Amino acid sequence: GEDVEQSLFLSVREGDSSVINCTYTDSSSTYLYWYKQEPGAGLQLLTYIFSNMDMKQDQRLTVLLNKKDKHLSLRIADTQTGDSAIYFCAEIGGYNKLIFGAGTRLAVHP
Amino acid sequence: GAGVSQSPSNKVTEKGKDVELRCDPISGHTALYWYRQRLGQGLEFLIYFQGNSAPDKSGLPSDRFSAERTGESVSTLTIQRTQQEDSAVYLCASSLGYSLNTEAFFGQGTRLTVV
Repeated sequence: GEDVEQSLFLSVREGDSSVINCTYTDSSSTYLYWYKQEPGAGLQLLTYIFSNMDMKQDQRLTVLLNKKDKHLSLRIADTQTGDSAIYFCAEIGGYNKLIFGAGTRLAVHP
Repeated sequence: GAGVSQSPSNKVTEKGKDVELRCDPISGHTALYWYRQRLGQGLEFLIYFQGNSAPDKSGLPSDRFSAERTGESVSTLTIQRTQQEDSAVYLCASSLGYSLNTEAFFGQGTRLTVV
């Protein structure tokens, strides 16, 4: 069935790079997404990648897509305390339904 | 309105009572989702409405949970005979649905506490 999996927790030191990983199942998904949820708030779209791309860079964010392995990653360079949040990976499944992973909680410490 | 609106923002109810949560999606969005998020945990899919298609109810945890949507507008999520385990934030999201790049916009959620 359709499923998206992520590790639940990541802890990094301020200034280091963070890499959040995700695996998905639907190879026909045209777009893959990263959403961010800050404490007490709803989710907001952070970035996305079209399925015919291998990489997308947006300032401190780098998205890597390995379609063969159905693996998506989000790299945050120079991680700051303001990056502390939950990060959700999502794919598009049947009937254009968005399917979210359980989320990775990123904790940034000094 | 400009975004997805959910009401109430907070709801405290006694165990065994029924509650109704409301979601006003962005105008023109054909797709609407309900999710549950327990404290410190990830998203749990509940139900998905897409235009006039039959809703995907595969995530509803029990027959105490039901949801309706009027056309392509307001949706209500009803929880009957609430239990303490139902305490969570209930998030609603909407999207264009039929677009290939279908960004979902989330409301701020309803925090439900069952005492």
